[in-house]
Amino acid sequence: QVQLVESGGGVVQPGRPLTLSCAASGFTFSRHAMQWVRQAPGKGLEWVALISYDGTNDYYTDSVKGRFTISRDNSKNTLDLRMTSLRVEDTAIYYCVKEWGADSWGQGTLVTVSS
Amino acid sequence: DVVVTQSPLSLPVTLGQPASISCRSSQSLVYSDGNTYLHWFQQRPGQSPRRLIYKVSNRDSGVPDRFSGSGSGTDFTLKISRVEAEDVGVYYCMQGTHWPRAFGQGTRLEIK
Repeated sequence: QVQLVESGGGVVQPGRPLTLSCAASGFTFSRHAMQWVRQAPGKGLEWVALISYDGTNDYYTDSVKGRFTISRDNSKNTLDLRMTSLRVEDTAIYYCVKEWGADSWGQGTLVTVSS
Repeated sequence: DVVVTQSPLSLPVTLGQPASISCRSSQSLVYSDGNTYLHWFQQRPGQSPRRLIYKVSNRDSGVPDRFSGSGSGTDFTLKISRVEAEDVGVYYCMQGTHWPRAFGQGTRLEIK
């Protein structure tokens, strides 16, 4: 069965960088687009970024453009989210999500941006 | 950007009764390939979201048939024919047609 396991969350100061990772298993990773979706504490879901199956195309929500970079390693079945210039408003649980249609979700990793 | 609006935001329902959630988008969600990329998700308390319905009306594997989706263009509906206790949680629609992707605000379903 599909497994998506996020890691890398933690407490980080505003302006600092952080990289999240997602280890995928149970499906042919290299054949599927992947996404990141986040959820601020007590709030709704917010789409963050998507990368195509082969990594040639990526898309971002406006608030993270130029600060976040989504990438993947199909040889290792991993998805990353490199986050720079972090802001307090980036505080959220970050979910790794499979496919354009968001058919499978990980358990999420919490990022807290605080001084 | 496309704005996705759900209503109601809170939905108290008696066990065994039906429930309906509306999702409206500011632009048509029909893609150039003819498909409509409107999906529904359920998030139970303390859990990750789970997809229930994809492309308007297709139930995911394992989703009870009391859940159904309908609609077209800009207006969509998720219906639960008879609410059960395990249906408590927040329901989201998401448009996957336009960039950036967007979720509705969420509808919190609770048992009366």
